[in-house]
Amino acid sequence: AQSVTQPDIHITVSEGASLELRCNYSYGATPYLFWYVQSPGQGLQLLLKYFSGDTLVQGIKGFEAEFKRSQSSFNLRKPSVHWSDAAEYFCAVDPYSSNTGKLIFGQGTTLQVKP
Amino acid sequence: EAQVTQNPRYLITVTGKKLTVTCSQNMNHEYMSWYRQDPGLGLRQIYYSMNVEVTDKGDVPEGYKVSRKEKRNFPLILESPSPNQTSLYFCASSLRSGFPDTQYFGPGTRLTVL
Repeated sequence: AQSVTQPDIHITVSEGASLELRCNYSYGATPYLFWYVQSPGQGLQLLLKYFSGDTLVQGIKGFEAEFKRSQSSFNLRKPSVHWSDAAEYFCAVDPYSSNTGKLIFGQGTTLQVKP
Repeated sequence: EAQVTQNPRYLITVTGKKLTVTCSQNMNHEYMSWYRQDPGLGLRQIYYSMNVEVTDKGDVPEGYKVSRKEKRNFPLILESPSPNQTSLYFCASSLRSGFPDTQYFGPGTRLTVL
């Protein structure tokens, strides 16, 4: 079955430190991958997406992600975290083959930023 | 401003009292969808709509109804809410169905059923 795994439920980093949030997917065909962020009390905002081409994609707010087909991963990175990055982050896959438009989401990773 | 709006944002109700959560988008999107978010489970799709008058069940449709009479609106109806429908609900839309596309999400509706 298609699935998305975010192994880290909760991560704490110091402000200014680098960040990597992990995402692994289980999907047979070429995946379409997304990272969304949900700030407290807010909806989901798209950070970046990968459909094809360059496997390193740049997003908003200084985030980037790298698609690694051999590892079935799409990890999110940021070189220097700001206090405003504290939020919940969701990795998602569009299993295009289902033709439902449905996104399959990971469980989410909550990021806490220490001053 | 291009956006997906939901109303109400917060709702506390009692078991069995019918309610409707509205969703509207101003981007002329064909595709609309409802998700629920529960702790530890991420988001799961409830219903989706490929276009006007075309709706279908997602992964967790039990206890919900939807309609798509106009392109911009996609209300979620709970005919007889139960406590297990206490959740955070998101409406989403994308330009077209049948093609991988970015989905834009509304701000969410937090529903509590007592």
